Amino acid sequence: GDSVTQMEGPVTLSEEAFLTINCTYTATGYPSLFWYVQYPGEGLQLLLKATKADDKGSNKGFEATYRKETTSFHLEKGSVQVSDSAVYFCALSEDAGGTSYGKLTFGQGTILTVHP
Amino acid sequence: DTEVTQTPKHLVMGMTNKKSLKCEQHMGHRAMYWYKQKAKKPPELMFVYSYEKLSINESVPSRFSPECPNSSLLNLHLHALQPEDSALYLCASSRLPGVNQETQYFGPGTRLLVL
Repeated sequence: GDSVTQMEGPVTLSEEAFLTINCTYTATGYPSLFWYVQYPGEGLQLLLKATKADDKGSNKGFEATYRKETTSFHLEKGSVQVSDSAVYFCALSEDAGGTSYGKLTFGQGTILTVHP
Repeated sequence: DTEVTQTPKHLVMGMTNKKSLKCEQHMGHRAMYWYKQKAKKPPELMFVYSYEKLSINESVPSRFSPECPNSSLLNLHLHALQPEDSALYLCASSRLPGVNQETQYFGPGTRLLVL
């Protein structure tokens, strides 16, 4: 079945450091890929998404590019802030026509802590 | 507006109680979802409703009973829960069911404690 693998955390950075959180996936067909962020005590918020190969999703300084050749969707940000401290989930949604009916398959999540 | 609301925010219940969780969206979305999230884990899908009909039940125990009274409202009825059911229960919705490009929008969750 489909799966998503994220780099293990926690990740601890100083403010203004460069961030990369690796995400690779296994899927049949052509999934859509998502990054969600969860702040403490809250639900998940969509951070960005990409629906086909070579698409780049971007939002709030975060970027990720859908790389079909390496089955990856790594999250990057050039300069993190303390307010970026949260849990980040990479996820995929299977190709239409499958039996999962829009099911999101999540990675295990990466805890990011940014210090001043 | 991409808001999904959930009530209550917190719930404490005994193993013999019956309670309900409520989820609402007014975005015209036709797919709604219930997820369960344990601490430091990703959300796990429980149920999917498509056009107000149950389309996926991920082998959830019968003590959890979902209901979709209309296209804006989703309930999760709880009965005879176990302490291990304590978790954050998240509701989500998306514009169309079964379309993998569609974004799922999550509510803030109900934090459930079963004593």
